[in-house]
Amino acid sequence: DTAVSQTPKYLVTQMGNDKSIKCEQNLGHDTMYWYKQDSKKFLKIMFSYNNKELIINETVPNRFSPKSPDKAHLNLHINSLELGDSAVYFCASSQEAGGQPQHFGDGTRLSIL
Amino acid sequence: AQSVTQLDSQVPVFEEAPVELRCNYSSSVSVYLFWYVQYPNQGLQLLLKYLSGSTLVKGINGFEAEFNKSQTSFHLRKPSVHISDTAEYFCAVNNNAGNMLTFGGGTRLMVKP
Repeated sequence: DTAVSQTPKYLVTQMGNDKSIKCEQNLGHDTMYWYKQDSKKFLKIMFSYNNKELIINETVPNRFSPKSPDKAHLNLHINSLELGDSAVYFCASSQEAGGQPQHFGDGTRLSIL
Repeated sequence: AQSVTQLDSQVPVFEEAPVELRCNYSSSVSVYLFWYVQYPNQGLQLLLKYLSGSTLVKGINGFEAEFNKSQTSFHLRKPSVHISDTAEYFCAVNNNAGNMLTFGGGTRLMVKP
């Protein structure tokens, strides 16, 4: 019973392509997130999203767009991929209230050729 | 704005020795504090959290952490480590603004036989 699942686990593609990463959670949580982990293991929030509000980290390029068809899913679309987009992308979820721990997926390793 | 500093990027230690991983944070408001562990090629798993109350928090796998408000620290400790504790450890805070986490740079714990 995977709590937060991401697909694909690995994604290798060329510069300029458009790709999507899917995320699903079966925990009944209200809020979902996308994080980026760079090659030095540094983790940074990209988006936070619940039924009411999308919060975007202002440093994220607008080539990145989250799309949530329902409360249990938050997909990440990336247009015109660049070399610097190579990273591991983690999806997470939590209850909305502050201080609630986040549950993470196993990550999607994106490699741009 | 809030930030997290993990003072050691790597901590080598022998098996069965005690270990302390240091974490300092800065925030203009009250925060919630977390420690997560990341095993190779996996997502982040919650070790423990501090929301309020007792400043000594016990977590999974024998880890504990102490919240020190005056020193703005939340150091992680374990009295006797195992080879299986080898992993990357992340300290994180959130201030209830969208429940988004700000992570430290991580500390790689390397347990040697």
